[in-house]
Parts: sequence; structure tokens; C-alpha cells
Amino acid sequence: AQSVTQPDIHITVSEGASLELRCNYSYGATPYLFWYVQSPGQGLQLLLKYFSGDTLVQGIKGFEAEFKRSQSSFNLRKPSVHWSDAAEYFCAVGLTNFGNEKLTFGTGTRLTIIP
Amino acid sequence: DGGITQSPKYLFRKEGQNVTLSCEQNLNHDAMYWYRQDPGQGLRLIYYSQIVNDFQKGDIAEGYSVSREKKESFPLTVTSAQKNPTAFYLCASSSLGTGWYEQYFGPGTRLTVT
Repeated sequence: AQSVTQPDIHITVSEGASLELRCNYSYGATPYLFWYVQSPGQGLQLLLKYFSGDTLVQGIKGFEAEFKRSQSSFNLRKPSVHWSDAAEYFCAVGLTNFGNEKLTFGTGTRLTIIP
Repeated sequence: DGGITQSPKYLFRKEGQNVTLSCEQNLNHDAMYWYRQDPGQGLRLIYYSQIVNDFQKGDIAEGYSVSREKKESFPLTVTSAQKNPTAFYLCASSSLGTGWYEQYFGPGTRLTVT
């Protein structure tokens, strides 16, 4: 069955430091992969997506992610975090099920930024 | 401005009452989705609809009902049969043009049932 794992429930980094959030997936074919961000009490905003092609994808707010097929991973990175990056981050995988497409989400990683 | 609106932002109900959450989009998207979010559990799909007058159950449809009479609207009813209805509910939409999977989310409705 399709699954998405975000092994880190909570990560704390200092402002200006680099960030990497981990995402691993289990899926038989090449997946469609997404990262979303959610501020407290708000909806989700799409950060970036991977469908095919270049395995390093750029997103909004200075984020990037790299698809590594051999590791079944799609980790999110940012070279220097800002206090406004504090939020919850969700990795998601697109699944086709008898023609009905839907997303499977990971359980999220909460990011705290310290000054 | 194009987007997805959900109303109300906060909703309080007594146990045993049905309650309907509103979701409207003006993005001309074909598909709409309802998710439930609980702390530490990510998002779980309740129902989704890819065309008007048709919808499919998601992973946790029990105790919920939906309708899709208009392309722009996809209301969710939380019935009294839902055992633990207190949660944050998110509506999303997507278009075949940008790929079904690229979903855009509304701001959510927090439902509290006591």
C-alpha cells in the first residue's frame, strides 16, 4: 500500500541555519511528490512539486527538494531559514487508484526557529 | 481574487446534532476534496468529487456525507453518527489542467462538538 513517512515529528533550528526535512515514500511506480506548508490554524500552501525530469526542484520561499529514487526520498531543504519559516510541513505522494487520483500525506514535521 | 473559501472558521455544536461545513471555490477547478486533520495524524481524506453530481468515499467516510450539485460548491455534513467529530476540516480543489494531484487548500474550519 502507498505510504509516506516523515520521520521527524519536530525539528528546531536557529535562524540563519540550514534546514533539511526528511520524507520517504513507499510506492511501486515513479510517484508524484509534493511538499506543503501549514501555518497554525491555516490551510496548506503548496511549496513545490515533482512530476518528472530534473530531480532537484525549486519552490517558493527559497525551498528546494531533491528526488532520490534509490532512497525513495524527497527531502526538503533551505540553505538559511527565517523566523517566518516556523510552521508545519507535510510531504505528500500522488496515487492513482482506478482512475481516481488522490494524495497521501505524511504526518508532518513541525519546525521551530530559535533566534 | 481566485481561491477557496470555507465558512465558518470556528463552529461549535452539541453532540447529536448534524452540522454542515461550507466550501466554495472560484478557481473553475473540476475536483474538490474534504480532509480531516487531527494533531499528529496528518491529513486524512473523507470524500472527493471529480465532477458534478458524483463523489467517492475517501479513507474515513463513515459518519460524513457530501453533495456536489454545483461545480463551485462541495459542502460536508458531519452527522451524529461520526464518533469523534471534533477536528480541523480542510477543503481543497484541483484541476485536470494542472494535474489532479496539485491541490489548493482553503483556510479550514475548526469544529468543536461537546
